[in-house]
Amino acid sequence: NAGVTQTPKFQVLKTGQSMTLQCAQDMNHEYMSWYRQDPGMGLRLIHYSVGAGITDQGEVPNGYNVSRSTTEDFPLRLLSAAPSQTSVYFCASSTGLAGGPGETQYFGPGTRLLVL
Amino acid sequence: AQTVTQSQPEMSVQEAETVTLSCTYDTSESDYYLFWYKQPPSRQMILVIRQEAYKQQNATENRFSVNFQKAAKSFSLKISDSQLGDAAMYFCASLETSGSRLTFGEGTQLTVNP
Repeated sequence: NAGVTQTPKFQVLKTGQSMTLQCAQDMNHEYMSWYRQDPGMGLRLIHYSVGAGITDQGEVPNGYNVSRSTTEDFPLRLLSAAPSQTSVYFCASSTGLAGGPGETQYFGPGTRLLVL
Repeated sequence: AQTVTQSQPEMSVQEAETVTLSCTYDTSESDYYLFWYKQPPSRQMILVIRQEAYKQQNATENRFSVNFQKAAKSFSLKISDSQLGDAAMYFCASLETSGSRLTFGEGTQLTVNP
């Protein structure tokens, strides 16, 4: 298993541009999520999905869209990039089953995004 | 809502010695999970150890162990026989079983001195 993969590893955008961060997992996990990590702060939840076709907002959803058309993929879209979105983005997945081993979240390697 | 607090932005330890990283949390639920994650310079998030709140016994994984004080809402990580490869940012996190959303602390940067 490749686990959780993210592309690209690094991206530079200009203010106002749009782009999609890709995330895929091959563990048949129902639950997937996107976090951003900023200096001096822990990871903050952007959006999450408890299964194909179901998404919900996390702590910092503004400026981001997500969709979940398949179990494997959970792309994150920046509609109009802003310098405040400069960050490291992590995708994670788990089985999402309360009380089970699925409570362990598996993280991707991260995407570094710089918005100029 | 959950909150997780790590009050030590930086810690250092001599190789082969023991270090303890602190974490406190707050939750209104009785059933939850607690985690410690390690983030080396590669930025990958690596699960170090997990603790189920309903278990009284402290979790242990080789050189890593926790001191879980449920009443005090404290969850510290002890690293024994520290190695150079333990140098990383360490994050404490909580997960309420009513949802599937992890809440992270601010992180503690651990330096291991040779």
